Amino acid sequence: KQEVTQIPAALSVPEGENLVLNCSFTDSAIYNLQWFRQDPGKGLTSLLLIQSSQREQTSGRLNASLDKSSGRSTLYIAASQPGDSATYLCAVEGVWDNAGNMLTFGGGTRLMVKP
Amino acid sequence: DTGVSQNPRHKITKRGQNVTFRCDPISEHNRLYWYRQTLGQGPEFLTYFQNEAQLEKSRLLSDRFSAERPKGSFSTLEIQRTEQGDSAMYLCASSFRSNEQYFGPGTRLTVT
Repeated sequence: KQEVTQIPAALSVPEGENLVLNCSFTDSAIYNLQWFRQDPGKGLTSLLLIQSSQREQTSGRLNASLDKSSGRSTLYIAASQPGDSATYLCAVEGVWDNAGNMLTFGGGTRLMVKP
Repeated sequence: DTGVSQNPRHKITKRGQNVTFRCDPISEHNRLYWYRQTLGQGPEFLTYFQNEAQLEKSRLLSDRFSAERPKGSFSTLEIQRTEQGDSAMYLCASSFRSNEQYFGPGTRLTVT
């Protein structure tokens, strides 16, 4: 059974700092990995999708990497801003999951960027 | 707005009552998913439709839960005889074939 872990569970940084969020998964047989942002009481906004054949994806100040063999992904946020404060979730789509394309989520990293 | 929509956004109900939620996916998306998220946790998969066919159900989906997707368009999730443990955010997502999943804003259920 796929398990996804995110460390740290919470992070507080001053504005302008570069930061890295970590995600690990136990089964490397995945189709892809997605990073999401969730604001309090809201739904999920997709940030980046990395296919299993890719090593990284970039969007603006965000860069996500994937090392499938070691079961790890990182989300790098450059020059953090207070508006980046949210919970960041990673999720993997497993090859052997019974359900086609179900996502298995980590518990999230709650980020606060202080002005 | 052509994103995934969910209604209602909030629902407060008394224990033992039945509730029904609705999800309207992005129009060309043939796959629709339901997830449940409790406070401080990541979402957990509940069930999945490809067009109108319900292809998979998690063991989290007890027999008090039922989901439908008539005609392969919108979907409903019904919870019968609600319990306090059902209080959670219920999230719907849709995708086209095996591509990226897009999530709706969720329905927050509070059972008193």
